[in-house]
Amino acid sequence: TQLLEQSPQFLSIQEGENLTVYCNSSSVFSSLQWYRQEPGEGPVLLVTVVTGGEVKKLKRLTFQFGDARKDSSLHITAAQPGDTGLYLCAGGSGGSNYKLTFGKGTLLTVNP
Amino acid sequence: GAGVSQSPSNKVTEKGKDVELRCDPISGHTALYWYRQSLGQGLEFLIYFQGNSAPDKSGLPSDRFSAERTGGSVSTLTIQRTQQEDSAVYLCASSFAELGEQYFGPGTRLTVT
Repeated sequence: TQLLEQSPQFLSIQEGENLTVYCNSSSVFSSLQWYRQEPGEGPVLLVTVVTGGEVKKLKRLTFQFGDARKDSSLHITAAQPGDTGLYLCAGGSGGSNYKLTFGKGTLLTVNP
Repeated sequence: GAGVSQSPSNKVTEKGKDVELRCDPISGHTALYWYRQSLGQGLEFLIYFQGNSAPDKSGLPSDRFSAERTGGSVSTLTIQRTQQEDSAVYLCASSFAELGEQYFGPGTRLTVT
């Protein structure tokens, strides 16, 4: 069974601070996705990374896929209250890439 | 355009009753997924439909759970003889193709009392 461990589970910071969220596994994934979920809504895809060592930037968010494709990180620079939400990583593998394995998420609160 | 819609948004039922949850995918999306999100457990894959292919039911937790997709569009997830451990948010997603971006609906919060 493939598992994705996310850390930290909870994170509360002040506006303007930087933060990093981690997603780790002992298994290799062919792709890794990051989602953000707000209360009462479904997750929304932020990014997909597929190549080991890949780095993608989305405004103040930087995503990295580990060289061995077993781990990933999400770094947010100068966090804003609008970044508040549940951040989920999800891995796809092999022939059933549609069957995503999700981490339990990191609940981020950015206080003004 | 319209996103994925789910109904009802909330459902409270008594233990032992059957429930049906509905998902309307984005028009033209051939793939449809059901997930369950429990407190502290993350999203758990339940079932996947792609076009006319046989669904992947490997994530269904027991034979009390079933799902169908009629006409390649609307899907219904049925839970028979509900148990308290079935309480969760049930999320539906659809994608344009098998490996396309998944668009999620807002979910149905099921509470079994």
